[in-house]
Amino acid sequence: EVQLSDSGGGLVKPGGSLRLSCAASGFSFTTFAMAWVRQAPGQGLEWVSSISGDGGNTYYVDSVRGRFTVSRDNSKDILYLEMNSLRAEDTAVYFCARVHVVAIDAWGQGTLVTVSS
Amino acid sequence: IQLTQSPSSLSASIGDRVTITCRASRDINNVLAWYQQKPGKAPNLLISGASNLQSGVPPRFSGSGFGTDFTLTISSLQPEDIASYYCQQLISYPLTFGGGTKVEIK
Repeated sequence: EVQLSDSGGGLVKPGGSLRLSCAASGFSFTTFAMAWVRQAPGQGLEWVSSISGDGGNTYYVDSVRGRFTVSRDNSKDILYLEMNSLRAEDTAVYFCARVHVVAIDAWGQGTLVTVSS
Repeated sequence: IQLTQSPSSLSASIGDRVTITCRASRDINNVLAWYQQKPGKAPNLLISGASNLQSGVPPRFSGSGFGTDFTLTISSLQPEDIASYYCQQLISYPLTFGGGTKVEIK
């Protein structure tokens, strides 16, 4: 069974940092690109970042480029999102997700990041 | 690529046919997915490649379209279909989602 388990969310002050993790199991992790998608309270879904299976290619939405870094440890089947210079508008539930060709076919349960003083 | 979903919300009766549209700002071939999200839960993939129903998804759901105009149809609305629905294009970065459609029971 494919499982994605997000963790690492919490309350952080503006300008602070946080690292999210996503432990994957039940599939060949290196075979799949992975992504982070967020959802602000009461709002819709927003794609944040993606990384290729070998970690060699990364992509970001403009609003986080230069502040967030996506990475993966294929020896441990873990996806990361390092978030720096956090802003109030980064407050959201962050989902890790598996990208299968032309769709996201598996999602983590989500981890809440709250940026507030 | 911007995706414009309509309507943003709708209210329908059990058994009704429900149609949600998603318009892309430029040609995305058929590289469009539809997701269902229930409150407090992660999204769930319904349809990929604009019209390919995922395993386990009831056949009352269907998708169609190509290029810039796409449709998600629920042929006979059921109580368990109360949720928000999102389209997403995956043909180019940044990947984008439509604004969502909240489906409620009348």
